[in-house]
Amino acid sequence: DGGITQSPKYLFRKEGQNVTLSCEQNLNHDAMYWYRQDPGQGLRLIYYSQIVNDFQKGDIAEGYSVSREKKESFPLTVTSAQKNPTAFYLCASSWQKGGNEQYFGPGTRLTVT
Amino acid sequence: AQSVTQLDSQVPVFEEAPVELRCNYSSSVSVYLFWYVQYPNQGLQLLLKYLSGSTLVKGINGFEAEFNKSQTSFHLRKPSVHISDTAEYFCAVSRDYGGSQGNLIFGKGTKLSVKP
Repeated sequence: DGGITQSPKYLFRKEGQNVTLSCEQNLNHDAMYWYRQDPGQGLRLIYYSQIVNDFQKGDIAEGYSVSREKKESFPLTVTSAQKNPTAFYLCASSWQKGGNEQYFGPGTRLTVT
Repeated sequence: AQSVTQLDSQVPVFEEAPVELRCNYSSSVSVYLFWYVQYPNQGLQLLLKYLSGSTLVKGINGFEAEFNKSQTSFHLRKPSVHISDTAEYFCAVSRDYGGSQGNLIFGKGTKLSVKP
């Protein structure tokens, strides 16, 4: 089955620790995206990548980092510089063309205490 | 700047009643429009999309939406809802500047609550 996987589903970390969220897709999509979702805020774009070895900051990139070493993988690191990291994180992918919908993974709920 | 406004944060409705979820957007150029649905603690699933052509778009689960360019709206409708339609619905518009094709701007969501 083709799709997007995110792991783990739930993640708990102590404040001050970096944490990496996994995102893998087998849809052969060119573009991949990371969003943050907070209650009542909709989805906000953190980073996106249109091609391997290249990525761009989204609207709320501060405190996050990404890499795109393989077409199918786009991991997100939440660093200790992110002031409010507790949130639901969604990864998505799409063909690299306007008008093509984004396909979403099941999400990772990160809790930092 | 582009934006998407979902006019109602919560919409309660009784089962088998019709429902309309409202979405307005702002953009200076032609855009693509999408509606997604999210069930609790899950990712988003595409309901329907408007790219061009007929302004009435039909999607999955009996939903449809109408694109109105003059009013910059893309409202979602269903003539008869079921308990299983209880979820959060997001309207999205494609970003209208080059180099970011495929990027979307999302509204803040509308929680549809269907009561028996």
